[in-house]
Amino acid sequence: KQEVTQIPAALSVPEGENLVLNCSFTDSAIYNLQWFRQDPGKGLTSLLLIQSSQREQTSGRLNASLDKSSGRSTLYIAASQPGDSATYLCAVEGYNAGGTSYGKLTFGQGTILTVHP
Amino acid sequence: KAGVTQTPRYLIKTRGQQVTLSCSPISGHRSVSWYQQTPGQGLQFLFEYFSETQRNKGNFPGRFSGRQFSNSRSEMNVSTLELGDSALYLCASSYTGEGGYTFGSGTRLTVV
Repeated sequence: KQEVTQIPAALSVPEGENLVLNCSFTDSAIYNLQWFRQDPGKGLTSLLLIQSSQREQTSGRLNASLDKSSGRSTLYIAASQPGDSATYLCAVEGYNAGGTSYGKLTFGQGTILTVHP
Repeated sequence: KAGVTQTPRYLIKTRGQQVTLSCSPISGHRSVSWYQQTPGQGLQFLFEYFSETQRNKGNFPGRFSGRQFSNSRSEMNVSTLELGDSALYLCASSYTGEGGYTFGSGTRLTVV
């Protein structure tokens, strides 16, 4: 059974800092890994999708890396801003006997990020 | 391009009642997945539909059911509501159900 852990559970930083959020998963046989952002009471916004054959993805100030062999992913946020304050969720999609997971993402508990002005 | 639309946004129901939630995927997406989010358990997978067929199911009781229509819109039904069913219910759509999921804003269900 896939388990996803995110560290730290909460993070509070001053504006402008570079920061790293960590995600680990127990089963390295994953199809892909996706990072999401969730604002309070809202749905999930996709940030980055890393296919299992890729090592990293970048979008603006965000960079995510994937190391399947060690079961780890990191999300790097450069020059943090107050608008980055949200919960960040890591989710992995694995395989079932049929060769795909058919829509099943396994999520971590998230990292609550607060960026102070 | 319209996103994933979930209706209603908020619901208040009484224990024992049943409820139906709706999800309209992005145009062209044929896969719809449903998730339950609670403070204690986080995000948990309920089920996934593709071309009107349920292909995957999570570990939820039979009170939770769903269906998908020919236009890919999906509904989720919860019967005999319990207090513990209070949660944010999210749906996600993708072209095939393999990666690249887009989530809706969710339906907040409160059972009293």
